[in-house]
Amino acid sequence: QKEVEQDPGPLSVPEGAIVSLNCTYSNSAFQYFMWYRQYSRKGPELLMYTYSSGNKEDGRFTAQVDKSSKYISLFIRDSQPSDSATYLCAIPQWLRSGGSNYKLTFGKGTLLTVNP
Amino acid sequence: KAGVTQTPRYLIKTRGQQVTLSCSPISGHRSVSWYQQTPGQGLQFLFEYFSETQRNKGNFPGRFSGRQFSNSRSEMNVSTLELGDSALYLCASRTRGNKQYFGPGTRLTVT
Repeated sequence: QKEVEQDPGPLSVPEGAIVSLNCTYSNSAFQYFMWYRQYSRKGPELLMYTYSSGNKEDGRFTAQVDKSSKYISLFIRDSQPSDSATYLCAIPQWLRSGGSNYKLTFGKGTLLTVNP
Repeated sequence: KAGVTQTPRYLIKTRGQQVTLSCSPISGHRSVSWYQQTPGQGLQFLFEYFSETQRNKGNFPGRFSGRQFSNSRSEMNVSTLELGDSALYLCASRTRGNKQYFGPGTRLTVT
């Protein structure tokens, strides 16, 4: 079982739609969860960062974590053509204490297209 | 503050050759990580460097290596290139916190 699995898409929606992007993870010890956005021919940029369960809102974006079912979601309200990108969920892991030996494990990404 | 920079942005190499990629982290960031991104496997962790020491390594063959300099700049080397090494190679830096910031990547094509 992969550590992080993401709905592969692609997803195509009309402008103004609510978008739901989802990932599941296997290790119940994970506590931090991230969403990155990657435009074509660019590096990923950090979009949302959450700790533990619950919701976090930032403008039109809401990140949701359900630790009981090991499920993370990103919702985009009033989607815009400029939101067209690949969205990647990511989970940081530390193999040692003290902040070292860090790596991000990514889902494979969902390509979103918002049509005007 | 300037972001993570990577050079070169694009590279074409032949099978069997070796390649060196360069990364300059955000000023003040001492941790530098490298990732490989391919359509089939997605983004996969290669290794992390902190204070010139490799702290963590992903599941890649020994042909993939790296180093970090005293100014935190990092280089990644791939020897004996294979067609399957064609990918976007991403460098990322962070402080002691959890947030990792990525550069634009180097697109490597092996022919």
